[in-house]
Amino acid sequence: ELKVEQNPLFLSMQEGKNYTIYCNYSTTSDRLYWYRQDPGKSLESLFVLLSNGAVKQEGRLMASLDTKARLSTLHITAAVHDLSATYFCAVDREGGATNKLIFGTGTLLAVQP
Amino acid sequence: DSGVTQTPKHLITATGQRVTLRCSPRSGDLSVYWYQQSLDQGLQFLIHYYNGEERAKGNILERFSAQQFPDLHSELNLSSLELGDSALYFCASSVGRATEAFFGQGTRLTVV
Repeated sequence: ELKVEQNPLFLSMQEGKNYTIYCNYSTTSDRLYWYRQDPGKSLESLFVLLSNGAVKQEGRLMASLDTKARLSTLHITAAVHDLSATYFCAVDREGGATNKLIFGTGTLLAVQP
Repeated sequence: DSGVTQTPKHLITATGQRVTLRCSPRSGDLSVYWYQQSLDQGLQFLIHYYNGEERAKGNILERFSAQQFPDLHSELNLSSLELGDSALYFCASSVGRATEAFFGQGTRLTVV
C-alpha cells in the first residue's frame, strides 16, 4: 500500500527559529508536491519537485527531494507568524505520470511570537 | 485565486439525501480531479476526468458518482448521504494529465 508519512504532525516554534518538516513516501515517484492550507481554506501549491536532487526556495521556505531515499524536506528559515498553517506533501500514486495524489497527514505549524 | 470555481461553498443536508457539487476548471484545463478531506481520513483522491472521460478512480464510494460535461465543468453527485460523508470536497484542475493541478476553494458538506 502506498504511504506518505510526514513528521512531525504538529510543530510549535518561535519566530526567528529554523526547523525542518520531513516527508517519506513508499513508492517510486519522480514528482513530489508541497502544499499549504490555512484553516478551512484551499490548498495552495508551494513547490513541485520534479527530479532527484531538486531544490526549490521561496522566501523562508526551501524544499528538496531525494528520490533514492524517497524523502523530501521542507525547511523553514527564521519563521514568522504568517507561516502558521498546515503543510502537506503529496506524491503521485502512479509515479509522476498523473495528478492522482496521495497526501501525507499534514504538519500543523504554529509560529509563536 | 487559483481560477478553479466550486459551488456551493457550504451545504447542509440531512442523512439519506442527495447533493450535487459543481466545479468549473481553469480556462483551458482538460483534467478535473475530485478530493475529499475529512478529519479521520485526511485528503483522499476520489476520481479523475480528462476531456469528458473518466480516467481513474480512487477511494470513491459507490454512492458517489461524477461526470465531466462537454464544456469541461464537472459535477460530483453524492447520494444516500451518511453522517460520515461530512467533509470538505475539493476540485482541482490541470492542463494535462501530468501537469501541476490547482485546487478550488472547496465545498464544505455537513450531513445532519
